[in-house]
Amino acid sequence: KAGVTQTPRYLIKTRGQQVTLSCSPISGHRSVSWYQQTPGQGLQFLFEYFSETQRNKGNFPGRFSGRQFSNSRSEMNVSTLELGDSALYLCASSLDGAANYGYTFGSGTRLTVV
Amino acid sequence: GDSVTQMEGPVTLSEEAFLTINCTYTATGYPSLFWYVQYPGEGLQLLLKATKADDKGSNKGFEATYRKETTSFHLEKGSVQVSDSAVYFCALNEGFQKLVFGTGTRLLVSP
Repeated sequence: KAGVTQTPRYLIKTRGQQVTLSCSPISGHRSVSWYQQTPGQGLQFLFEYFSETQRNKGNFPGRFSGRQFSNSRSEMNVSTLELGDSALYLCASSLDGAANYGYTFGSGTRLTVV
Repeated sequence: GDSVTQMEGPVTLSEEAFLTINCTYTATGYPSLFWYVQYPGEGLQLLLKATKADDKGSNKGFEATYRKETTSFHLEKGSVQVSDSAVYFCALNEGFQKLVFGTGTRLLVSP
């Protein structure tokens, strides 16, 4: 059974640019959530999608956005990149977002903003 | 709001030593509790979980018991191996489709 696939693995962007990251969940999983991991702030929740609807959002500026497609694949977008956006972005999928079923994480996309 | 507090690392042990990583939480309700492990250059892997008080999660020799009275979920292993070297994260979920993580504890095991 394929795991959670995130693409690309590594990305280097310049300040002011925008970036799109992709996440393909485990087959049958309808919930996809995104996290940002940095050395200073640790792991922080960005947002969660279920059946193409955003159900929960973390405390991030509007430059961070996401969406989910009908096949449950998800993308997140960061516009007007800042140096502080450099981080490992992790995607997690679950059957329905409920804790009982657990969350499976991808290997992440390492974004470097220069 | 909800929060998770983990012991500071790194934790440095010799192979076959006993491991304890402390984790306490603050939550308004009755959260589910998790331990995740992250190896270098990789994402997070679920190590074990417990969904209600007094539940014991276990996997690969690791154990943790959900203690509601002390709001704790300490991770233990009787005999660590070099291959257990990684960063361990305690986390909680209180039904809002998100995980709240602790800051992580790095474990270094030497032969």
